[in-house]
Amino acid sequence: GEQVEQLPSILRVQEGSSASINCTYENSASNYFPWYKQEPGENPKLIIDIRSNMERKQTQGLIVLLDKKAKRFSLHITDTQPGDSAMYFCAAYNTNTGKLTFGDGTVLTVKP
Amino acid sequence: EAAVTQSPRSKVAVTGGKVTLSCHQTNNHDYMYWYRQDTGHGLRLIHYSYVADSTEKGDIPDGYKASRPSQENFSLILELASLSQTAVYFCASTPGLGGEQYFGPGTRLTVL
Repeated sequence: GEQVEQLPSILRVQEGSSASINCTYENSASNYFPWYKQEPGENPKLIIDIRSNMERKQTQGLIVLLDKKAKRFSLHITDTQPGDSAMYFCAAYNTNTGKLTFGDGTVLTVKP
Repeated sequence: EAAVTQSPRSKVAVTGGKVTLSCHQTNNHDYMYWYRQDTGHGLRLIHYSYVADSTEKGDIPDGYKASRPSQENFSLILELASLSQTAVYFCASTPGLGGEQYFGPGTRLTVL
């Protein structure tokens, strides 16, 4: 199987600063790593993802880094805004099992 | 954009009763999934399906059955609902393995 650990579970930052969330996985057969944002009462929505053939991906204020040797990947939100406040989940897809395993989530609060 | 709908959106059930949660997608996706989310936590995979008339056990299948009568429809069945099955249930679909999963709006199930 796969286990994904996500830290921190709670993150509070000041508006305009950066926020970073870190995840680790166990199985080297994992090759796809999406990040989802979930607003209260809503469903999770994909915000950025990275595959194992890449080390870095950036889109609209979001940066994802992948370190395959360390089995670690991270999400960095630059210039945070109050609208970035939400729950964020990382996940790892295992090609052997065909399953997507989620971390437990990070509650991000951006203070004005 | 992928369209995944779930019904009912919320339900109150009694302990020992039978509950059926339904999921419908209109995007010809082959792969469908059922997850549960407990308050403040990540998503855990219950059952999934690669093709109509076939289902697979996920990471926490005990107490749940699944049915995929057609490509568009995927049901989750709780034959004997228990208090511990109170949670939000999300259905998701994806066109291929290791790609973006599109989530439905969720069903909030309360078992009393």
